[in-house]
Amino acid sequence: SAVISQKPSRDICQRGTSLTIQCQVDSQVTMMFWYRQQPGQSLTLIATANQGSEATYESGFVIDKFPISRPNLTFSTLTVSNMSPEDSSIYLCSVEGYSGSFTDTQYFGPGTRLTVL
Amino acid sequence: DQQVKQNSPSLSVQEGRISILNCDYTNSMFDYFLWYKKYPAEGPTFLISISSIKDKNEDGRFTVFLNKSAKHLSLHIVPSQPGDSAVYFCAASAIEGAQKLVFGQGTRLTINP
Repeated sequence: SAVISQKPSRDICQRGTSLTIQCQVDSQVTMMFWYRQQPGQSLTLIATANQGSEATYESGFVIDKFPISRPNLTFSTLTVSNMSPEDSSIYLCSVEGYSGSFTDTQYFGPGTRLTVL
Repeated sequence: DQQVKQNSPSLSVQEGRISILNCDYTNSMFDYFLWYKKYPAEGPTFLISISSIKDKNEDGRFTVFLNKSAKHLSLHIVPSQPGDSAVYFCAASAIEGAQKLVFGQGTRLTINP
């Protein structure tokens, strides 16, 4: 398994500002994922971040709003830009887990709880 | 369009009895399914998975059943323990393995002593 940490664990921000969330994993991984969990909702995949290439965004999410960096195989950041109260969510990063060469699970970080006023 | 549905927001079970959590999906392209457990203020923890080529997978107290024709899966926990009290999410993927996961809304399981 992988040990994943996220910073900050929580934050309260003013609308119109931006917040960068950091995700650090204790081993080298190819794919990292960013999810959002809005209040009372399921986890929704925002984007997949591979080291050395542009992140791949899911429908409904755009790079201008959620720019992602992946500078190396153990680290990624997600920025929530020009925030509004609708961005209040838990943001989680995850990494792939392998059984042999098969990606059989994802391991999740503890999440960042964001409140936008 | 909710492709993965957990229709029971909550479930209460007596300690020592069986807990059965259900999940339905609509996308016939899903071929890999996972269950996660989530405690408050923590990220989801992987429990068990099943590939569409199987109809059952066991790991200790946890068993997942897959009924492809009904597009239904269930998680059985036997016997249920107080530490099992958490929110349980099912997830599905249409890409080989656990990539691009689509999650259900979660079921809050409470185990009563």
